[in-house]
Amino acid sequence: GQQVMQIPQYQHVQEGEDFTTYCNSSTTLSNIQWYKQRPGGHPVFLIQLVKSGEVKKQKRLTFQFGEAKKNSSLHITATQTTDVGTYFCAPRGSNTGKLIFGQGTTLQVKP
Amino acid sequence: DTGVSQNPRHKITKRGQNVTFRCDPISEHNRLYWYRQTLGQGPEFLTYFQNEAQLEKSRLLSDRFSAERPKGSFSTLEIQRTEQGDSAMYLCASSFGQVSSYEQYFGPGTRLTVT
Repeated sequence: GQQVMQIPQYQHVQEGEDFTTYCNSSTTLSNIQWYKQRPGGHPVFLIQLVKSGEVKKQKRLTFQFGEAKKNSSLHITATQTTDVGTYFCAPRGSNTGKLIFGQGTTLQVKP
Repeated sequence: DTGVSQNPRHKITKRGQNVTFRCDPISEHNRLYWYRQTLGQGPEFLTYFQNEAQLEKSRLLSDRFSAERPKGSFSTLEIQRTEQGDSAMYLCASSFGQVSSYEQYFGPGTRLTVT
């Protein structure tokens, strides 16, 4: 079945620095979703990518889907303390919609 | 509050006891999912309902786990004869629509501790 690996597992940055997390799959994905989970919170949907090579931006967040649809990335420009949390990528099953989560990248931001 | 709600928020039980959790999805959502999350890991899919029909169940789910969604609204997840390995956060999520629908809304979760 579909599995994704995320790197790095943890990232500590100084406020204002950039941050990138990568999501890799050994199989071609039909789509990829990204979720953010704050400490003590629940996952919150950020975005879905579907098309090969797709790039979407949300303010300081830039999401990319690889040309081969086997990898994705999330880049945050000029991190803020509000960006703290764990970022998960998750392919969504086309029939059921179930999500297969990666293990996540936990971001810590030092003010 | 019109989001997904889960009860109880915390449950401590002794090994061997049965526990039941409840999830109330967003009212117009026809799809409901249960996930389990342990510390440092991403949520792991358990089961999925479309309306009242349970359409998929993870192979990782033992026979001690059962879920229902009797009227296509709220759902319950029961764990029988709990084991320490069942300790985790149990998350419920819902979404609306057919194939084109994709965003899942998660509830706050029920944290289970088995002693």
